[in-house]
Order: sequence, then structure tokens, then C-alpha cells
Amino acid sequence: NAGVTQTPKFQVLKTGQSMTLQCAQDMNHNSMYWYRQDPGMGLRLIYYSASEGTTDKGEVPNGYNVSRLNKREFSLRLESAAPSQTSVYFCASSEGQGSNTEAFFGQGTRLTVV
Amino acid sequence: AQRVTQPEKLLSVFKGAPVELKCNYSYSGSPELFWYVQYSRQRLQLLLRHISRESIKGFTADLNKGETSFHLKKPFAQEEDSAMYYCALLYSSASKIIFGSGTRLSIRP
Repeated sequence: NAGVTQTPKFQVLKTGQSMTLQCAQDMNHNSMYWYRQDPGMGLRLIYYSASEGTTDKGEVPNGYNVSRLNKREFSLRLESAAPSQTSVYFCASSEGQGSNTEAFFGQGTRLTVV
Repeated sequence: AQRVTQPEKLLSVFKGAPVELKCNYSYSGSPELFWYVQYSRQRLQLLLRHISRESIKGFTADLNKGETSFHLKKPFAQEEDSAMYYCALLYSSASKIIFGSGTRLSIRP
């Protein structure tokens, strides 16, 4: 059981380049999330998708776009990367409803923008 | 605004000492709160949830609505408890989960 899979694991971009981070889950979860993790800032929500066909902004959406391609996949796109977007990115999924909701996380993508 | 605050970036205690990691929240509705843990080289994972009122690995957390707190406690710290701990708040109506800034717990032998 793979759970939540992110690709790539590492990436170096030049300022202004674009890229898409891929995320897929095999748990038939309704909700999916993208977070960034920075020292001292914790995990900050970039975008989330409560269910297939919907996406919403989180706490720090500027500079990012997302696509919920289907129930399994949720991608994060950086159109024009900036050094401030250097971070570790985590994708997560959950059933989305109910107080027993548990989020399952991918292994993370370490992105460096130079 | 909805917010989760973890005031301590780093907490260092001796093995066998009690541990308390603080979490305060700001939310107008009925909160659903969780603690997640990230051990070195492992994925972030759920430690416990307030609704279950459970003890996991000796840790407990009680929701105090009057103080808007959900502090994580363990009476006797063990070296394997060293990790990054995050408090999280679920907006169940929106399926949205936000996290605090995290506390790194370091257990000294």
C-alpha cells in the first residue's frame, strides 16, 4: 500500500523557471492538501481540495496554482519560481469529513530555487 | 482569524522528566484538534486526536475550551520521543487542516 506518493523528491530550479509537483494517493480519500515546511514557520497550507472538482486557497497561495486532476491526483504548479519558494513541500490526503479525520502525508519534495 | 499557536520552537528535557508541549488555538466553531509527530527521516504522522481521548506512546492531550488550549503531555520522557511535534486544527465543514509552527522536542540522556 503506497499511501501518498510525491514526485520528485528533490529539485533545483533557477529563478523564473516553472515546474509541477505531482501527488497521488491510493486510499480513495476525498480531500487532498499541499503544505510547505519552513524552519520556524511550521507547516503552512498552500492549497487544498475538499473533494474532486474543487480547490481552495490556504494560508499562503500566492505564486502557486493547483489542479485536482481526478480523485487520486493533486498537482502543485510554480509558474515562475522565486528564491522565497525554496522549501520542503508536502502533499497529504484525508477522508475529509468527521472528527476522526486523519491526514496521511507524502515523503516531501525538497525544492531549491537559485 | 483561525490560528494554531505553538509558543516553543525547541523544548529540551532530560530522560525521565515530564514533558508538556503547548498548543493554543483560535477558532470560532467547535474545534477538532490533533497532534502530529515527525521523527527523523520519517513521514509526518498522526499521534493523537482530541475526540478519542486516548493515550498514545504515553502521551495525552486534553482540550480546554475555556483556555483554548490542547497541550500535549507525557509524565516520563524517553529518548525515542525526540522529534518534531505539530498541533493541528481541522475545520470539518471545509475539510481544511491547518498546523502550528511546530515544537522540536529533544530528550537528553
